[in-house]
Amino acid sequence: GENVEQHPSTLSVQEGDSAVIKCTYSDSASNYFPWYKQELGKGPQLIIDIRSNVGEKKDQRIAVTLNKTAKHFSLHITETQPEDSAVYFCAASNRDTGNQFYFGTGTSLTVIP
Amino acid sequence: DVKVTQSSRYLVKRTGEKVFLECVQDMDHENMFWYRQDPGLGLRLIYFSYDVKMKEKGDIPEGYSVSREKKERFSLILESASTNQTSMYLCASSIFVGRDSPLHFGNGTRLTVT
Repeated sequence: GENVEQHPSTLSVQEGDSAVIKCTYSDSASNYFPWYKQELGKGPQLIIDIRSNVGEKKDQRIAVTLNKTAKHFSLHITETQPEDSAVYFCAASNRDTGNQFYFGTGTSLTVIP
Repeated sequence: DVKVTQSSRYLVKRTGEKVFLECVQDMDHENMFWYRQDPGLGLRLIYFSYDVKMKEKGDIPEGYSVSREKKERFSLILESASTNQTSMYLCASSIFVGRDSPLHFGNGTRLTVT
């Protein structure tokens, strides 16, 4: 089955700096890659996603890049703010084989004011 | 907005008890999932369902079963709770198979088995 690895497990940045979280996946058939943000006491919420036919996607301060050849994708957060502090999860899925999602182990991001 | 509601935020049960975790979604989604979340292990899939009365095992189904009698409701059952099932349980739903649709999660049930 699919194996998703995520790094780093913890990340601290100064407010205003950028944060980058990286994930690799093993199954070349995976074709959909969402990112989730989980705040304390809540379930994960989708923040951005990318499909395998796209190399990069941006939504305001958040961007995701995908390298299909190398089988890795990354989340970039620019101009970080304290409210960005949360746990972030990457995931990989294949819509052709049932939409099962495989998650990374999470990155705890702390933005220091 | 999709709403996925888990009936309990916190549960404390004794070893050997039968435990029911309930989940309801309000957007007519076909797919429903149960995940377990543990520190350092991420989210691991227990069971999922593509339709009423159907279920598929995920990566860690041992010690669990599920029930989906109605499209909007997906129940996770711990037949005989054990201390190693102490965890955060997350229910999720998505639109249907064959489409790039993200998971929508509930806020989780933190289960403690003593």
